[in-house]
Amino acid sequence: SQKIEQNSEALNIQEGKTATLTCNYTNYSPAYLQWYRQDPGRGPVFLLLIRENEKEKRKERLKVTFDTTLKQSLFHITASQPADSATYLCALIYGGYQKVTFGIGTKLQVIP
Amino acid sequence: GAGVSQSPSNKVTEKGKDVELRCDPISGHTALYWYRQSLGQGLEFLIYFQGNSAPDKSGLPSDRFSAERTGGSVSTLTIQRTQQEDSAVYLCASSRRGGGGASETQYFGPGTRLLVL
Repeated sequence: SQKIEQNSEALNIQEGKTATLTCNYTNYSPAYLQWYRQDPGRGPVFLLLIRENEKEKRKERLKVTFDTTLKQSLFHITASQPADSATYLCALIYGGYQKVTFGIGTKLQVIP
Repeated sequence: GAGVSQSPSNKVTEKGKDVELRCDPISGHTALYWYRQSLGQGLEFLIYFQGNSAPDKSGLPSDRFSAERTGGSVSTLTIQRTQQEDSAVYLCASSRRGGGGASETQYFGPGTRLLVL
């Protein structure tokens, strides 16, 4: 079965630096990969989607890459701010069906 | 509605009792999903509805868990004879279509925090 690995340790980063979060998966590549943000006590909120034929996607200070050879997606937040502190989840979606498989998430703490 | 709503927001119950969790998806969204999130765990898929039918129930952990959706809108997740290991946050999400290849953003509700004593 598909396994998703996200760096389970919390990531602490200084304000203004770029935060990089990793999502690795086993087996076959999904058609789509999504990144979500989850704040304590709340449901996840969708951030970005990248398709398997796309290498990179950007949205404001966010950038996602998708390497199907490495079976890895990287999620970058540039010029990080304390308000970016949250847990970030990656999720895999396989074509033709909307079942979403989520990773455990990585907790990001941006230190002022 | 403005977003996905879930009720109750918190539920404390005694082991062995039945509980019913409710999800109101965004109006017009045909796809609805239930997930469970335990402390320190990722989101665990439970069941997916397309309209009123559930093409995928593979994630339901046991036959004590059931879900239904009526009128293509509200869904209820029922847990019978609750056990302590059922304690978790139960999240509901909806999306416009579901299936068909093109990915859809899932909009999540705030969750129901269930504690089984």
